[in-house]
Amino acid sequence: QMQLQESGPGLVKPSQTLSLTCVVSGDSINTDTSYWSWIRQPAGKGLEWIGHIHSTSGVPNYNPSLKTRVTISGDSAKNQFSLEVRSVTATDTAVYYCARVDFSSGRIVGFGPWGQGTLVTVSS
Amino acid sequence: EIVLTQSPGTLSLSPGERATLSCRASESILYDHLAWYQQRPGQVPRLLIYGISTRATGIPDRFSGSGSGTDFTLTISRLEPEDFAVYYCQQYGRSPEFSFGPGTKVEIK
Repeated sequence: QMQLQESGPGLVKPSQTLSLTCVVSGDSINTDTSYWSWIRQPAGKGLEWIGHIHSTSGVPNYNPSLKTRVTISGDSAKNQFSLEVRSVTATDTAVYYCARVDFSSGRIVGFGPWGQGTLVTVSS
Repeated sequence: EIVLTQSPGTLSLSPGERATLSCRASESILYDHLAWYQQRPGQVPRLLIYGISTRATGIPDRFSGSGSGTDFTLTISRLEPEDFAVYYCQQYGRSPEFSFGPGTKVEIK
């Protein structure tokens, strides 16, 4: 069974860079067509799609509201993908999830497997 | 960018009652690119419905989705205790880019 696990610092200082990694087990990130995604959720609030990386091409796609500060990259050798958010502020404080976009009969279904999420707090 | 709104913000119902949740898009959704998720307290979101009306694997048939264009509905025919949660609609576009609605909380009355 495929599993995703986020890891990274739980505390980041304002203006610095938030860096997270999602390790995937039970599946390869670059064998089947999929999108490996990051989603975040501030405490008590809704879900925000940050962006994803395509499994085979490695091409990323980002939420326009975050595009200038975000980079998502993949490392097939380690079977993981990563998120960087630059110039963070308190509004970037959230639980960050990694997830895979599932397909059925060649069409996107939605976000299937999710990691458990990791809380990142931006504070000095 | 398509913006999703959900109503009501909170729905107070009793177990056994029917729940009707609404999701409205700022413009017509591409094809059937609309999904629903359930998030129980302290848990990870779970995909319930995709393609407007197709239940994901393992989702009981008391959950159903409907709609077209800009107006979509998630219906829970008879609420079970485990159904009290927050529900999000989500759409995706061509790139694909994704967006979520703000959520509807279904609470016990």
